[in-house]
Amino acid sequence: DIVMTQSPLSLPVTPGEPASISCRSSQSLLHNNGYIYLNWYLQRPGQSPQLLIYLGSNRASGVPDRISASGSGTDFTLKISRVEAEDVGIYYCMQSLQSFTFGPGTKVDLK
Amino acid sequence: EVQLVESGGGLVQPGRSLTLSCAASGFTFDDYGMHWVRLVPGKGLEWVAGVNWNSENIAYADSVKGRSIISRDNAQKSLHLYMSSLRLEDTALYYCARGDAGKYLVDNYFDTWGQGAPVTVSS
Repeated sequence: DIVMTQSPLSLPVTPGEPASISCRSSQSLLHNNGYIYLNWYLQRPGQSPQLLIYLGSNRASGVPDRISASGSGTDFTLKISRVEAEDVGIYYCMQSLQSFTFGPGTKVDLK
Repeated sequence: EVQLVESGGGLVQPGRSLTLSCAASGFTFDDYGMHWVRLVPGKGLEWVAGVNWNSENIAYADSVKGRSIISRDNAQKSLHLYMSSLRLEDTALYYCARGDAGKYLVDNYFDTWGQGAPVTVSS
């Protein structure tokens, strides 16, 4: 089974400042078809999870361009260029190369 | 508007069974694979089970395999999860989620989620 880890698990952020979350997988998520089977979700307080990024670095519909993702192999990063209040919540990475497994989540809140 | 609405959650005793349902609207239901994902208190998200568009491909997480049955009714645009021999660790908020890939392909992510149905297993 592919195990997903995230760091940090808690991230206090200042509005207007950048923020970054790391996700690591126990084996490479790069398929020989060239796709990276890593996705990112945000679960805002009281809401269901929302897709942010799919297949490595593709922003989902409606996701602002201040949110971006990168990485390959086993190391991945989600970046927010300028944090806004609506970015508060728990961020999960999820691999879909072999079944589906989520990271433990990174809780982002405002300082 | 694409919408998924779960129902059937509640308080259930250990060892008993429960069926969750998900009503879909706003899209062509039988064009998509469907999944159940749960939010376990203090632990995060866990994929539970998935079914492809015509129910020919079904998969379960090891944690529920042998105790659960996922099914769908394309005519009724509904998804179901039957869980038996419930355990304390099955306590969670259960989400219905739509796969991304459409017919004939394997899902890569979940693009739409319902609001969730709470299940509490307790004596």
